[in-house]
Amino acid sequence: AIQMTQSPSSLSASVGDRVTITCRASQAIRDTLVWYQHIPGKAPRLLIYSASTLQSGVPSRFSGSGSGTDFTLTISGLQPEDFATYYCLQEYDDFLTFGGGTKVEI
Amino acid sequence: QVQLVQSGAEVKQPGASVRLSCRTSGFTFINYVVHWVRQAPGQRPQWLGWINPANGNTRSSEKFQGRLRLTSDTSADTAYMELSSLTSEDTAVYYCAKDRVGVASSPDHWGQGTPVIVSS
Repeated sequence: AIQMTQSPSSLSASVGDRVTITCRASQAIRDTLVWYQHIPGKAPRLLIYSASTLQSGVPSRFSGSGSGTDFTLTISGLQPEDFATYYCLQEYDDFLTFGGGTKVEI
Repeated sequence: QVQLVQSGAEVKQPGASVRLSCRTSGFTFINYVVHWVRQAPGQRPQWLGWINPANGNTRSSEKFQGRLRLTSDTSADTAYMELSSLTSEDTAVYYCAKDRVGVASSPDHWGQGTPVIVSS
């Protein structure tokens, strides 16, 4: 199975900050990388697919980049509602695998 | 709008089975596979498998071979997941989710989750 490694596992930030989260795949996965936001008690929310395509309705302060094995999620201008855990997922392989998550805290 | 509404929390004894439901609306059920994902406390999400309601085909993680059964009822736009021979390691929140593209990409819309506790 393709292993997904996220870093950092957690970070502290303030409203208005620029935040960068990275995700590394154990093998090349082209651009088949997805980012989710998860707030406890809520359904996960799709943010970005195909590494850099913003899901409809997601604010433009979220952006994604990367290809191959290394990917980045950037939040430009952190808002109070963005404090959550973020996960990457690879859909290159039939057997989907998630990263370990990055918890963004105040 | 797209909605996936899951059944309520379950408490099971080790060795038992659990069957969860996922009632969908707001999209054409037979056009999209439904994924099942779980997240145990303190762990990363884990993909279990998907079912294609159009033909009943399924694909599941080899880790659950023989224990996982995915079904669907197209007359009710509902997907079901049954997991047998439960152990404490199956304690998790279980989610169903609609595929983004149709046939086996990754989830876009998710249900609210069903907590399953396995304890004697």
